[in-house]
Amino acid sequence: GQQLNQSPQSMFIQEGEDVSMNCTSSSIFNTWLWYKQDPGEGPVLLIALYKAGELTSNGRLTAQFGITRKDSFLNISASIPSDVGIYFCAGHHNAGNNRKLIWGLGTSLAVNP
Amino acid sequence: DAMVIQNPRYQVTQFGKPVTLSCSQTLNHNVMYWYQQKSSQAPKLLFHYYDKDFNNEADTPDNFQSRRPNTSFCFLDIRSPGLGDAAMYLCATSIIEETQYFGPGTRLLVL
Repeated sequence: GQQLNQSPQSMFIQEGEDVSMNCTSSSIFNTWLWYKQDPGEGPVLLIALYKAGELTSNGRLTAQFGITRKDSFLNISASIPSDVGIYFCAGHHNAGNNRKLIWGLGTSLAVNP
Repeated sequence: DAMVIQNPRYQVTQFGKPVTLSCSQTLNHNVMYWYQQKSSQAPKLLFHYYDKDFNNEADTPDNFQSRRPNTSFCFLDIRSPGLGDAAMYLCATSIIEETQYFGPGTRLLVL
């Protein structure tokens, strides 16, 4: 099935550094979602984006819905050890019968205290 | 707090022995989903209910069934689990088919 191109696949950073990850698609999306998943837990919604160009923050997290509607990025500022986990982007076409989320493969983040 | 609840969190079953996983929600969302997630992979949609309307993904094996007796509850039945069915099973809900909220998952082990 269709998947989003999410990069980087993994990151290892020092505590306090900023992080950036992004997702791209070959088709247009109407919704972009960013989730974080800790080991053994379900994905937790971080930020939802519904409009092209939208820039939304949630604490130290900032995400943007690309103008072309084919990409999105997530930034984490001043990383802390609890930011460790896998970050997934997901998109939604919201058209006709194609109603399921399309997922990226995830970005695994490790933070060195 | 409104939430998505999954029980049990860990389930051990034997090869071929039917198992049922449960999900409940207090969000009053009309759509409920079941996903399978294997290690280092993204969640894979098995099926979803839009109210009582059941939608099966084309590549979901017949071994997997689901029931939604009311708005709050949804069940995943695995009729004859195989070793390849060992995975994390995630339940999610949404208002219409858009932003999804996930439960904590049930880790299934097949012996």
